[in-house]
Amino acid sequence: DIQMTQSPSAMSASVGDRVTITCRASQGISNYLVWFQQKPGKVPKRLIYAASSLQSGVPSRFSGSGSGTEFTLTISSLQPEDFATYYCLQHHTYPYSFGQGTKLEIK
Amino acid sequence: EVQLVESGGGLVQPGGSLRLSCAASGITFSDHYIDWVRQAPGKGLEWVGRSRNKANSYTTEYAASVKGRCTISRDDSKNSLYLQMNSLKTDDTAVYYCARGYSGSGSYVNAFDIWGQGTMVTVSS
Repeated sequence: DIQMTQSPSAMSASVGDRVTITCRASQGISNYLVWFQQKPGKVPKRLIYAASSLQSGVPSRFSGSGSGTEFTLTISSLQPEDFATYYCLQHHTYPYSFGQGTKLEIK
Repeated sequence: EVQLVESGGGLVQPGGSLRLSCAASGITFSDHYIDWVRQAPGKGLEWVGRSRNKANSYTTEYAASVKGRCTISRDDSKNSLYLQMNSLKTDDTAVYYCARGYSGSGSYVNAFDIWGQGTMVTVSS
């Protein structure tokens, strides 16, 4: 099975900061990677698909990059509404697998 | 508007069974794969399984944690997907979501873009 290792597991940052979250796959997954944002009590929201394609309606401060085994989600300038938990998902090989999540908190 | 609505959750004793439903609207249901994802209280997301579309013979995939205990089926005439869960364990306690998966012959442009609101399953004596 493919393991998705997300880092950091938690972080604190300030409004306006640039933030990068990393997801590492235990084997190559090409670009079969999705990034989600989830706020407490809410449904996960897709931000990025195919590793680097921005979901329609998602602010352009969100971007994704990577291919193979190393992927990043970058928020260029944190806004108050961005404080949430972020997950990556690989859908290259069954069973699909999520990263353990990154909780982004206000500093 | 594309919408997925789960139902069927509730409280069940260990060893019991439950059937969850996912009703879709706003899409050509038979053209889409549909996935189940769950989230235990205070925990991360876990992929549960998938139903492929009509063009791919409705074949299914499962996570190891539910394989042999869960069965995914669908009724395209009702635009509905089902998750039959048997031999339930306390570890199965979670919110269960259905999500749009691939479409057509395997396009993943829309995969995981639409989720239902979730249905809570509690396994407890």
